[in-house]
Amino acid sequence: KQEVTQIPAALSVPEGENLVLNCSFTDSAIYNLQWFRQDPGKGLTSLLLIQSSQREQTSGRLNASLDKSSGRSTLYIAASQPGDSATYLCAVREGGATNKLIFGTGTLLAVQP
Amino acid sequence: NAGVMQNPRHLVRRRGQEARLRCSPMKGHSHVYWYRQLPEEGLKFMVYLQKENIIDESGMPKERFSAEFPKEGPSILRIQQVVRGDSAAYFCASSPFEQGGYTFGSGTRLTVV
Repeated sequence: KQEVTQIPAALSVPEGENLVLNCSFTDSAIYNLQWFRQDPGKGLTSLLLIQSSQREQTSGRLNASLDKSSGRSTLYIAASQPGDSATYLCAVREGGATNKLIFGTGTLLAVQP
Repeated sequence: NAGVMQNPRHLVRRRGQEARLRCSPMKGHSHVYWYRQLPEEGLKFMVYLQKENIIDESGMPKERFSAEFPKEGPSILRIQQVVRGDSAAYFCASSPFEQGGYTFGSGTRLTVV
């Protein structure tokens, strides 16, 4: 059974710092991995989608890497801003017929001005 | 493109009543997914539907919960005889094809009193 873990559960950094969020999964047979952002009381915003054949994806100040063999992904945020404060979720899509996402429990990020 | 639309945003029901949650996928998306986020827990898959078909309902509770995605109109998640434990945020997502990236709606927050 696929399990997704995110470390740390919470992180507080001063504005301007670069930071890394970690995601690990137990079954490497995934189709893709997606990073989301969730603001309090709001829905999920997709940040980056990495297909299983890819090693990384970049969007602006965000960079996500994927090491399928070791069951790990990282989300790197450069030059953090207070507006980056949110919960960050990673989710893996399993291969085969199933089409569902298995979510981690998230990392709550607070960027202090 | 208005994105994935969910309504209502907030729903209050008394124990024993029925709750109906609606989801209109993004234009051109024919795959719909429902997820539930219980307080202090991660997002859990409930059901995956295509037009007029339930593809995977492995995450749906066996009783009181049902979902449909008719040929015309939005997808509906129905919870009969609600109990306090049904209080949660219910998120709908859609994708353009089977393995496409997800787009989430803003969710419906159900409170059972």
